[in-house]
Amino acid sequence: DAGITQSPRHKVTETGTPVTLRCHQTENHRYMYWYRQDPGHGLRLIHYSYGVKDTDKGEVSDGYSVSRSKTEDFLLTLESATSSQTSVYFCAISESGEIQYFGAGTRLSVL
Amino acid sequence: EDQVTQSPEALRLQEGESSSLNCSYTVSGLRGLFWYRQDPGKGPEFLFTLYSAGEEKEKERLKATLTKKESFLHITAPKPEDSATYLCAVQGTSGTYKYIFGTGTRLKVLA
Repeated sequence: DAGITQSPRHKVTETGTPVTLRCHQTENHRYMYWYRQDPGHGLRLIHYSYGVKDTDKGEVSDGYSVSRSKTEDFLLTLESATSSQTSVYFCAISESGEIQYFGAGTRLSVL
Repeated sequence: EDQVTQSPEALRLQEGESSSLNCSYTVSGLRGLFWYRQDPGKGPEFLFTLYSAGEEKEKERLKATLTKKESFLHITAPKPEDSATYLCAVQGTSGTYKYIFGTGTRLKVLA
């Protein structure tokens, strides 16, 4: 299995609290992505990174921020969680821009 | 607007009963079309990349084909362990590394 780890795997939080999800890779891949998966929707891109400190917005970036200070770590932060951000979040990595590896996911519930 | 539509939403097959899943797409220039398998509670697992119309790829009981407007995932003599959600995604040539995912086909193979 590819070395990609998401933490935490499950989290329950309250509306208005900050939340940070972590994606850690040991593959030294250049590109890292954060997606959310909701019933009735395909995987939707939140943010992606094409190098250390290089990030860009995806299609559903409102309410989310990211940081990548090291090749191996990509953090997703919800500054003030809302119920609409209840979802399953997946991290993905790629070397060439073709995504071949996803993490196991983080199930987030915002009450 | 780039779009991916998968059909059917759900499919039940008897073990050994071959069938096909469909992925229709519209994209302004195709960089690649991707198939993934997703088991419940897990991240997507990469299956195939197709780049141009007429291309075919096979893996065990799965065969993916591509035309200019759609892709098919053919499942030959499926087994219960093939039960999963199959996701299709396209990547355009618009200069970014963003994927558009379909909502998937949930496949159940009965013994």
